Amino acid sequence: AQSVTQLGSHVSVSEGALVLLRCNYSSSVPPYLFWYVQYPNQGLQLLLKYTSAATLVKGINGFEAEFKKSETSFHLTKPSAHMSDAAEYFCAVSEGMNRDDKIIFGKGTRLHILP
Amino acid sequence: TAGITQAPTSQILAAGRSMTLRCTQDMRHNAMYWYRQDLGLGLRLIHYSNTAGTTGKGEVPDGYSVSRANTDDFPLTLASAVPSQTSVYFCASSAAQGTEAFFGQGTRLTVV
Repeated sequence: AQSVTQLGSHVSVSEGALVLLRCNYSSSVPPYLFWYVQYPNQGLQLLLKYTSAATLVKGINGFEAEFKKSETSFHLTKPSAHMSDAAEYFCAVSEGMNRDDKIIFGKGTRLHILP
Repeated sequence: TAGITQAPTSQILAAGRSMTLRCTQDMRHNAMYWYRQDLGLGLRLIHYSNTAGTTGKGEVPDGYSVSRANTDDFPLTLASAVPSQTSVYFCASSAAQGTEAFFGQGTRLTVV
């Protein structure tokens, strides 16, 4: 069964600094991978997704993620943090090739932006 | 476009009572999911359905049941609520296997 591990339940960065949120996955087949963002008291919004095309995926709000099969990782980055990036971020994995597919989420990383 | 509609938005429920959380989507998506979100535990999958007429158990299915009589609706039932079921519940749908999920706004349930 697929699983996701997000390293660091809380990450703090200064405004303008690099954002790096870590995600490692486990999957028995080539995975589909997603990053979602959740702002307070809201549902989840898709940031970006990897579906076996380019390994470097660009998303909304300046975020991008790189799929590294050898490291089973899909880390999320943004070159320069903005105050508006403060939110909770979730990595998720899907084994889309399996007949009995489901989307499994990590425990989330709360991103704090320091002025 | 409404997308995914969940009802109610919040509810306080006495322990031992039953309740059905409603979820309707208007995107004609094949797959639907129920998650619960708890502080420090992220989103955990309760039940899912890859297509109308089929359902499957997720990571934390005990105490919950679902049905998928048609494409649009995916209700979640708590037969006899317990305080540990206090949580925020999210319904989601996706067009096909391997595609991203779209989420509703959530139902905040408090069992007392």
